[in-house]
Amino acid sequence: GAGVSQSPRYKVAKRGQDVALRCDPISGHVSLFWYQQALGQGPEFLTYFQNEAQLDKSGLPSDRFFAERPEGSVSTLKIQRTQQEDSAVYLCASSLDGSLDEQFFGPGTRLTVL
Amino acid sequence: KNQVEQSPQSLIILEGKNCTLQCNYTVSPFSNLRWYKQDTGRGPVSLTIMTFSENTKSNGRYTATLDADTKQSSLHITASQLSDSASYICVVTPNSGNTPLVFGKGTRLSVIA
Repeated sequence: GAGVSQSPRYKVAKRGQDVALRCDPISGHVSLFWYQQALGQGPEFLTYFQNEAQLDKSGLPSDRFFAERPEGSVSTLKIQRTQQEDSAVYLCASSLDGSLDEQFFGPGTRLTVL
Repeated sequence: KNQVEQSPQSLIILEGKNCTLQCNYTVSPFSNLRWYKQDTGRGPVSLTIMTFSENTKSNGRYTATLDADTKQSSLHITASQLSDSASYICVVTPNSGNTPLVFGKGTRLSVIA
């Protein structure tokens, strides 16, 4: 497809489980962003990749959150030992090159931690 | 701290009516300001983009304005339709390529018949 895709669309995890969320950016987009969106809130920045390099991870809330983009295309956001406060929609966005370019968002993964 | 504040938090209007959503920001300097539409269960989609030197931009029934002096933007929706029901998010890009975007919390618009 032509847009950003994310999988799974919905994930239910028991507290303490590890989860992995996948993002397929638009082909050829250099930059990839992860956001966390709590219910009724705007997206909050988590981390940013330029190709395979993670240039900014200042938004990751704890060391339980880890993101990678090993080949500069698909990215995975991993959350270890999930907690209830991790419940949110995780949005991925990609842009041609940098945050000055328009970011195209995926549909998000809704994570619910029980 | 860079902030984007939106008002109202939520809004209900009748189909066919107009409405205006507000965005105040403290991000300075900034590169551009965008309004995004986010349907329930979907990712945000860009409606308009304005640089600091532009003061109005239209996209169909959506018209965005920007006053860089007062650091305010608005999104005006004309002749609203049921499909306009969504969250509208104001997003400011700081004037640095690698600085994260600053998102508002959005205005939840409900258009009813």
